[in-house]
Amino acid sequence: QVQLHESGPGLVKPSETLSLTCTVSGGYISTYYWSWVRQPPGKGPEWLGYIYSSVNTNYNPSLKSRVTISVDTSKNQFSLKLTSVTAADTAVYYCTRDAEHTHGRVFGYWGQGTLVAVSS
Amino acid sequence: QSALTQPPSASGSPGQSVTISCTGTSSDVGAYNSVSWYQQHPGKAPKLIIYEVTRRRPGVPDRFSGSKSGYTASLTVSGLQAEDEADYYCCSYAGSNNVIFGGGTRLTVL
Repeated sequence: QVQLHESGPGLVKPSETLSLTCTVSGGYISTYYWSWVRQPPGKGPEWLGYIYSSVNTNYNPSLKSRVTISVDTSKNQFSLKLTSVTAADTAVYYCTRDAEHTHGRVFGYWGQGTLVAVSS
Repeated sequence: QSALTQPPSASGSPGQSVTISCTGTSSDVGAYNSVSWYQQHPGKAPKLIIYEVTRRRPGVPDRFSGSKSGYTASLTVSGLQAEDEADYYCCSYAGSNNVIFGGGTRLTVL
């Protein structure tokens, strides 16, 4: 069974870069679509972007200039970097894997989520 | 791209049926049969229950069903049970490799 686990700082200062890592067990990161999804407190989720086949990426158009997703296949991990953060980026951040045969459009497996607050 | 529109709340008594709507546009819900639904209990990650409009994730009770008409997708929960009380989110493919979510509906079992 695929399991995902997010890790990274819980507090980031405004204008700095948010960096999170997702460790995957029970599945190979070189296959499937691996996404980051965030959920501000009390609001609906927002898809940030995905990576597949280790090198192909696609990002939410509204965040494209600030988001980078990468993979470390040797550690079976993928990572998120979000630059120039503001308070609006405060959210629970989830790493996810797509459900089988859905090409990144359906989020079948989720990590437990990690809360990242942006504050000075 | 704007979020999909869901009613903020819905409710029903145990054993009853309740339907939650999710309204989009001709660019997302109306254009693709790629609507999914997620159930989220407090403090937990969302859980996929329905995908591709009507397909139930293995292991999800058949009390949960999905449908779509025009720009509106719907999730129906039949035979409500106490454990169905949760937040429900719809999600749709929106073209150009983009995916958007709804704002969520809190389902209360009375």
